[in-house]
Amino acid sequence: AQSVSQHNHHVILSEAASLELGCNYSYGGTVNLFWYVQYPGQHLQLLLKYFSGDPLVKGIKGFEAEFIKSKFSFNLRKPSVQWSDTAEYFCAVRTNAGNNRKLIWGLGTSLAVNP
Amino acid sequence: DVKVTQSSRYLVKRTGEKVFLECVQDMDHENMFWYRQDPGLGLRLIYFSYDVKMKEKGDIPEGYSVSREKKERFSLILESASTNQTSMYLCASRGSGGSLNEQFFGPGTRLTVL
Repeated sequence: AQSVSQHNHHVILSEAASLELGCNYSYGGTVNLFWYVQYPGQHLQLLLKYFSGDPLVKGIKGFEAEFIKSKFSFNLRKPSVQWSDTAEYFCAVRTNAGNNRKLIWGLGTSLAVNP
Repeated sequence: DVKVTQSSRYLVKRTGEKVFLECVQDMDHENMFWYRQDPGLGLRLIYFSYDVKMKEKGDIPEGYSVSREKKERFSLILESASTNQTSMYLCASRGSGGSLNEQFFGPGTRLTVL
């Protein structure tokens, strides 16, 4: 079965530290990849997405992610985090297999940034 | 901007009650989704709908049903609420155009079943 794995469930960083959140998926065909963020008390919103082309994708608020097809990975990065980046981050994948109307979600990573 | 609204932010019900959660989107999206979000379990898809009166089961449909009589509205129904249905419920919508479009989420309804 297709699945998405987020390696870190809880991450604690100090401001200005660099961030990398791992995301791996299990599917050998064409994929569309997403990172969503949920700030405390707010609704889920899209951070960035990859469909095709340049595997390095830039999103909002200084985030970027790199699609590495050979590693089935789509890791999220930010060079210098801020306290306002404290949130829960979800990786999601849509494949071209079967019913592709739905997303397959990772379990999420909770990021706490200490000022 | 796409707007997805949910009828309640917080809801408290008793075991055995019938519960209706309403979701409305204002962007003429074909696809709508109901998820529940629980700590450590991420987002789990309950049901989704790709057109009026059309629905498909997600990963955890047991104990739930849905209704989509109008394009903009997608309702989640708990026929007989149980304590294990205490959760955060998220509604989302997505336009057509294949897989290119993102899902837009509502603010969520935190349901407590006593």
